[in-house]
Amino acid sequence: DAKTTQPNSMESNEEEPVHLPCNHSTISGTDYIHWYRQLPSQGPEYVIHGLTSNVNNRMASLAIAEDRKSSTLILHRATLRDAAVYYCILRDVNNQGGKLIFGQGTELSVKP
Amino acid sequence: NAGVMQNPRHLVRRRGQEARLRCSPMKGHSHVYWYRQLPEEGLKFMVYLQKENIIDESGMPKERFSAEFPKEGPSILRIQQVVRGDSAAYFCASSPTRADGFGKLFFGSGTQLSVL
Repeated sequence: DAKTTQPNSMESNEEEPVHLPCNHSTISGTDYIHWYRQLPSQGPEYVIHGLTSNVNNRMASLAIAEDRKSSTLILHRATLRDAAVYYCILRDVNNQGGKLIFGQGTELSVKP
Repeated sequence: NAGVMQNPRHLVRRRGQEARLRCSPMKGHSHVYWYRQLPEEGLKFMVYLQKENIIDESGMPKERFSAEFPKEGPSILRIQQVVRGDSAAYFCASSPTRADGFGKLFFGSGTQLSVL
């Protein structure tokens, strides 16, 4: 699986939007972009994924650059409950192994 | 529909004892993954199993660690002769099919293993 680069940490204020960046300059045409997050003392949970087009779901939005070398996870209104480590992961659609390879992620803190 | 269930939530063992960690995947899921998270470190893949088969064990330590996913019952991660360095959070995840590029994994809340 291709490598991603994320900032180690970010801060946000409650009820403000948060943009979490991810660089993946070596992405291949068959790589999906996945985002997971891990709340304190919990297992990771799926947030969103996409291939080329921007995606929206009830948790977040995913904006994918036209050249696909970067993407941004958008939390529209951060809450205290969104404080977590956010992981950006590339998954090859042809990946036979099924495993997710986690990097260090971005630790998001939310201030009231 | 219950999520991925891991037990025990906390497990304390003395050096040299055996640790058995259990994982019940979500209903209908036949693929299980084990991850380890050492203190202040990221999640490291250990092993990927389907029913009665080990598919990928590239992340498993060569000695003392084993995993199984029998036809009936939960998946078991077994650590023999535990050492203090085994102290970590162990997470299990499941998926309904081979987790390819557009599939997603569902994680349990983990087992915190403490070795005295």
